[in-house]
Amino acid sequence: AQKITQTQPGMFVQEKEAVTLDCTYDTSDPSYGLFWYKQPSSGEMIFLIYQGSYDQQNATEGRYSLNFQKARKSANLVISASQLGDSAMYFCAMREGHAGGTSYGKLTFGQGTILTVHP
Amino acid sequence: NAGVTQTPKFQVLKTGQSMTLQCAQDMNHNSMYWYRQDPGMGLRLIYYSASEGTTDKGEVPNGYNVSRLNKREFSLRLESAAPSQTSVYFCASSGPRQGRNIQYFGAGTRLSVL
Repeated sequence: AQKITQTQPGMFVQEKEAVTLDCTYDTSDPSYGLFWYKQPSSGEMIFLIYQGSYDQQNATEGRYSLNFQKARKSANLVISASQLGDSAMYFCAMREGHAGGTSYGKLTFGQGTILTVHP
Repeated sequence: NAGVTQTPKFQVLKTGQSMTLQCAQDMNHNSMYWYRQDPGMGLRLIYYSASEGTTDKGEVPNGYNVSRLNKREFSLRLESAAPSQTSVYFCASSGPRQGRNIQYFGAGTRLSVL
């Protein structure tokens, strides 16, 4: 079974509008972290936002917020006020395990969602 | 403010040739990783090093070897390249950011094996 599922191969949004990119995950570990990365056409992987499984509040980083619904095992990325520069591939990833364990830090990635922002 | 540096950026090999991908980080991170990214797929972990002196296999280790030379450097070696190893390779390191363990990536190495 896939541990990270991104069901939207591609998404389109109008500039200045908000967009939600979906991510569901599967784990039996009570301690985990969820990440979103942006990969523009230049190819680098840019860290956007992180949510820990024990965090009480949804994470926010500027125009990025994470809609974390633990019972549904979903961690959707919300981008507000989209900009042309937001056009990129977006990856959801999960880290299982706790600090100090040898598995700590390894990420499992979803297949990504290509976001296109129209002017 | 280099972060994670990978060399080379591009490489073309013939089947059977060997090469080493270099990675260095200047963030004093303990853990380092090698991933590969194939078209239509997310990144998959090849090998990782939780700390200096240790290495472990990830999801797709076959055909690769790694060396954690020191805390800064983590290299990936292809002993006998195969066309199936054509991919984009990313090195990453992880360390604390505002109390969270965050993974930072290099710019990637685009490898073609003919």
